[in-house]
Amino acid sequence: SQTIHQWPATLVQPVGSPLSLECTVEGTSNPNLYWYRQAAGRGLQLLFYSVGIGQISSEVPQNLSASRPQDRQFILSSKKLLLSDSGFYLCAWGTPYEQYFGPGTRLTVT
Amino acid sequence: AQRVTQPEKLLSVFKGAPVELKCNYSYSGSPELFWYVQYSRQRLQLLLRHISRESIKGFTADLNKGETSFHLKKPFAQEEDSAMYYCALSFYNTDKLIFGTGTRLQVFP
Repeated sequence: SQTIHQWPATLVQPVGSPLSLECTVEGTSNPNLYWYRQAAGRGLQLLFYSVGIGQISSEVPQNLSASRPQDRQFILSSKKLLLSDSGFYLCAWGTPYEQYFGPGTRLTVT
Repeated sequence: AQRVTQPEKLLSVFKGAPVELKCNYSYSGSPELFWYVQYSRQRLQLLLRHISRESIKGFTADLNKGETSFHLKKPFAQEEDSAMYYCALSFYNTDKLIFGTGTRLQVFP
């Protein structure tokens, strides 16, 4: 069966520090992968998605970036975090018709 | 642009009362609509999709193209229905889902 992992579960980082969140999927090949941010009062915002290795679509211009170095690995990064980057980050795999979400990473930028 | 609107951030009802979580969308073509749910300390998961015309955990949702709505309904709410509910839209030739801002449902005993 398919499983999706995210780490770390929680992260506290100072403003200006770099960020790297990792997501991996098991049990499926060439999945569509997605990064979302869930912020209070703003719902679920799609940040990036990928339909294949090296193929990244950005939905929201910001200081975050994403990469897909391997088929089932999706990484969310930042060179310098802002206070506004705080939130709950969710990775998902699937199709536009059904997506399966990871457990999420709670990021607090101080 | 395609958009999903959930006008209520919070909906509070008592156990046994009817529930309707509102969802409106903007898309000129034929949409695919979904409801996702996130229970406390659980992962976000698909609840139901309009194309399946199914009832899950007593919830139903009917796509009304004239009103561009896809409201989620349950005749008798239960305490275990308390969760965050997201309406989502997909459409032809896209690889992504567009989510609404979510509605938190609280069911009091």
